[in-house]
Amino acid sequence: DAGITQSPRHKVTETGTPVTLRCHQTENHRYMYWYRQDPGHGLRLIHYSYGVKDTDKGEVSDGYSVSRSKTEDFLLTLESATSSQTSVYFCAISDLGDPSYEQYFGPGTRLTVT
Amino acid sequence: AQTVTQSQPEMSVQEAETVTLSCTYDTSESDYYLFWYKQPPSRQMILVIRQEAYKQQNATENRFSVNFQKAAKSFSLKISDSQLGDAAMYFCAYSSQGGSEKLVFGKGTKLTVNP
Repeated sequence: DAGITQSPRHKVTETGTPVTLRCHQTENHRYMYWYRQDPGHGLRLIHYSYGVKDTDKGEVSDGYSVSRSKTEDFLLTLESATSSQTSVYFCAISDLGDPSYEQYFGPGTRLTVT
Repeated sequence: AQTVTQSQPEMSVQEAETVTLSCTYDTSESDYYLFWYKQPPSRQMILVIRQEAYKQQNATENRFSVNFQKAAKSFSLKISDSQLGDAAMYFCAYSSQGGSEKLVFGKGTKLTVNP
């Protein structure tokens, strides 16, 4: 299994509070991604990173920011959480050196905004 | 932008039988990758099978095989000899060749396996 961890695994927070989710990898993969999963929507890309300090927006980036200061860590921040951001968040990694282009997923973080 | 459609929100199959999950996609690209991911109740996303668009031969992984119809933009998953452990959500996904390799997912099909 790819070495990907997410923290916290579960979090309950109140509307308006800032929240940071962490993704940590031990594979030295270049690309990292944040997805959210909601019933009836599958997984949707929030932000991704193609290197240290190199990030870009995905399909549903409004209300989220990311940072990547080290290869192994990719942080997702909700500056002011809203109930619509209640979701399961997945981190994934991939590498150009992998000819399969497979993305490896972390275990997910369930976030509830009350 | 690419889109992926899974038209079957739920499917069921009897143990040991065969089931086919449907997926269609829309793209203007000629080179790309297609994937089927499995998500059991544990929530872990598990790659089941992948297909490179430039390969005409359909991918096969043990009991899992795909029917890739590039012209029709169709990518169905066939599960043979279904087992109770196959019960899960199945997601079809698309990735452009190279670049950032972002995945575009379908909404998923929930597969139930009946004993």
